[in-house]
Amino acid sequence: QKEVEQDPGPLSVPEGAIVSLNCTYSNSAFQYFMWYRQYSRKGPELLMYTYSSGNKEDGRFTAQVDKSSKYISLFIRDSQPSDSATYLCAMKDWDNDMRFGAGTRLTVKP
Amino acid sequence: DAGVIQSPRHEVTEMGQEVTLRCKPISGHDYLFWYRQTMMRGLELLIYFNNNVPIDDSGMPEDRFSAKMPNASFSTLKIQPSEPRDSAVYFCASSSTTGDEQYFGPGTRLTVT
Repeated sequence: QKEVEQDPGPLSVPEGAIVSLNCTYSNSAFQYFMWYRQYSRKGPELLMYTYSSGNKEDGRFTAQVDKSSKYISLFIRDSQPSDSATYLCAMKDWDNDMRFGAGTRLTVKP
Repeated sequence: DAGVIQSPRHEVTEMGQEVTLRCKPISGHDYLFWYRQTMMRGLELLIYFNNNVPIDDSGMPEDRFSAKMPNASFSTLKIQPSEPRDSAVYFCASSSTTGDEQYFGPGTRLTVT
């Protein structure tokens, strides 16, 4: 079993839809949770970063962490074609050994 | 700031040749990370440095791989000799004192034939 599980998709939604992306993890030591967005042939770009359980909102993006269930989510409201990318969850414990999910490829159709 | 800079952006080489990838982190960042991304294995941490000192190299796949950081503004990842299974995109990332929020470079796409 991988430490971080993420459905690779692909996921296709119409413009304006609410997108839900999820990851589960097995290592209860993970304390920091991140979501990265990666456009084709580009480096990952940090979208959201959270430390605690609960929700964190930034514009159209909401990150949710449930440590008791070892489950994190990223919600995208009013999705746009420019949101089309691969979204990677990432997490780490107190050191800097970051573990990434496989990434979910998202396409938002106009 | 120009962000993390990597060179070359693309590298095609023959099996057995030495390959050197270069990275310039964001100025003022204390941490530097080298990652490898493939379709099969996703994004994997190879090694990271703190204040130019290698902290964890447990992700380096074999002795053929080595990394150095001679100063705060430059790091190299070397593969000698290269093999076809080393073909991947290699990313460098840097972060500030906490090491949490990492900023990635554009990557080097390596093809070993």
